[in-house]
Amino acid sequence: AQKVTQAQTEISVVEKEDVTLDCVYETRDTTYYLFWYKQPPSGELVFLIRRNSFDEQNEISGRYSWNFQKSTSSFNFTITASQVVDSAVYFCALSEAEGSGTYKYIFGTGTRLKVLA
Amino acid sequence: EAQVTQNPRYLITVTGKKLTVTCSQNMNHEYMSWYRQDPGLGLRQIYYSMNVEVTDKGDVPEGYKVSRKEKRNFPLILESPSPNQTSLYFCASSLMVGFQETQYFGPGTRLLVL
Repeated sequence: AQKVTQAQTEISVVEKEDVTLDCVYETRDTTYYLFWYKQPPSGELVFLIRRNSFDEQNEISGRYSWNFQKSTSSFNFTITASQVVDSAVYFCALSEAEGSGTYKYIFGTGTRLKVLA
Repeated sequence: EAQVTQNPRYLITVTGKKLTVTCSQNMNHEYMSWYRQDPGLGLRQIYYSMNVEVTDKGDVPEGYKVSRKEKRNFPLILESPSPNQTSLYFCASSLMVGFQETQYFGPGTRLLVL
């Protein structure tokens, strides 16, 4: 069965520190997709990234980077030089490609990141 | 402007009174989905749709119905709401191009069932 674990419930850092949010997943499929989302205090959901299971190349987007490691079933998210605007709840999610081509999503419970000025 | 809209944004209702939360996207996306968000549980998928007239259950479909009669709309129907359906609901649509995907979320609908 699918499962996504975000063991860090809440993290607090001081501005300009680097921070890594952990995500561990479980799946029996060989084809799957991993996601990260941001939910700022205003409540909207923002899609950050999707990673395909066959592409383990790490991704960097500005201060954000993602480390995908199949060997440890992890898809960790690092924010470099954190800023107060990074304060949010971050969700990791997994989707498996099902037989009919449809697929559903399983989310982790989220990590609340507080960046202090 | 590309967007996903949901209505209403806030709703207080009573047990058993049928309600519909509308979701509309203006991006011609094929994939649409509904989620509920509850404290401590994160987000859970209710239903999703790969295209018009194609819908399937997510993790928590009980008590909900959906329809996809046209590509832009994906309403969520609660035939007989109960207090355990009090939650924050999000609609989403996805653009899939090859192996790439970008998702867009509606602003959320906060539902209270008394």
